[in-house]
Amino acid sequence: EAQVTQNPRYLITVTGKKLTVTCSQNMNHEYMSWYRQDPGLGLRQIYYSMNVEVTDKGDVPEGYKVSRKEKRNFPLILESPSPNQTSLYFCASSLGRGANTGELFFGEGSRLTVL
Amino acid sequence: AQSVTQLDSHVSVSEGTPVLLRCNYSSSYSPSLFWYVQHPNKGLQLLLKYTSAATLVKGINGFEAEFKKSETSFHLTKPSAHMSDAAEYFCVVRLLSGSARQLTFGSGTQLTVLP
Repeated sequence: EAQVTQNPRYLITVTGKKLTVTCSQNMNHEYMSWYRQDPGLGLRQIYYSMNVEVTDKGDVPEGYKVSRKEKRNFPLILESPSPNQTSLYFCASSLGRGANTGELFFGEGSRLTVL
Repeated sequence: AQSVTQLDSHVSVSEGTPVLLRCNYSSSYSPSLFWYVQHPNKGLQLLLKYTSAATLVKGINGFEAEFKKSETSFHLTKPSAHMSDAAEYFCVVRLLSGSARQLTFGSGTQLTVLP
C-alpha cells in the first residue's frame, strides 16, 4: 500500500530537548516536504527536498533542520524546541514535477507540544 | 506571485442539501488548482485537480469544482451532503508550469454536516 509514515504521532516535550520526527515514503517519490498546520493559517511549508541530498528552506524554516540521505526518508529535526513550535506537523511526498505535480501524499500528522 | 483565499472559515449544511465551498485565487500566470480534504486526525487527501483541461472537474465522493478564469474562482460543490463529508477542506494553487515546491494553501474551510 502506498503510504507516507510519520513517527511519533503524538509527542509532548520540554523546551530545549532535541527531538526528531521521522518520515518515510514507499512510492519512490523524488519530492518530500514538511508542513506545519496552525489554526486559521492553513499549511505552511517548513523545508522541502527535490531529491537525495537536495534540501531547501520553505516559508517558515527557523528552528528546524532536515536531511535527505536516502530517497525514502526525510526526518525533521528540532534542535532546541520552543513553545512556539507547538503545532501539527505533516510530511508529504510527490513525484515533484510534471502533470502530477501538486498531488501530494500526506502522512497522518505528528502533534507536537512543547512545554 | 500567487495566493488563494477561502472565503468561509466555517460552513454548516444539513444532510442531503447542497454544499458550496468558495475559493478565489490570484496568480500572475496560468494556475493549477486543487482541493484537498482533511478528515479528523488524518492527513490531507487530494479531492480533485484542475490543470488546464476541462474547466469542470469531477473528484472523489461526488464533489466537483469549476474553474472560472473571469471570476478567478474555483468553488467546490456537491449536490447532496453526507455526514461523512464533515471535514476541513483546503484550496491550493500552483503555477501551471511550477513544481510541487510552489504550492500555496488556503487557510481552510471547516464543513459541518447536520443530521
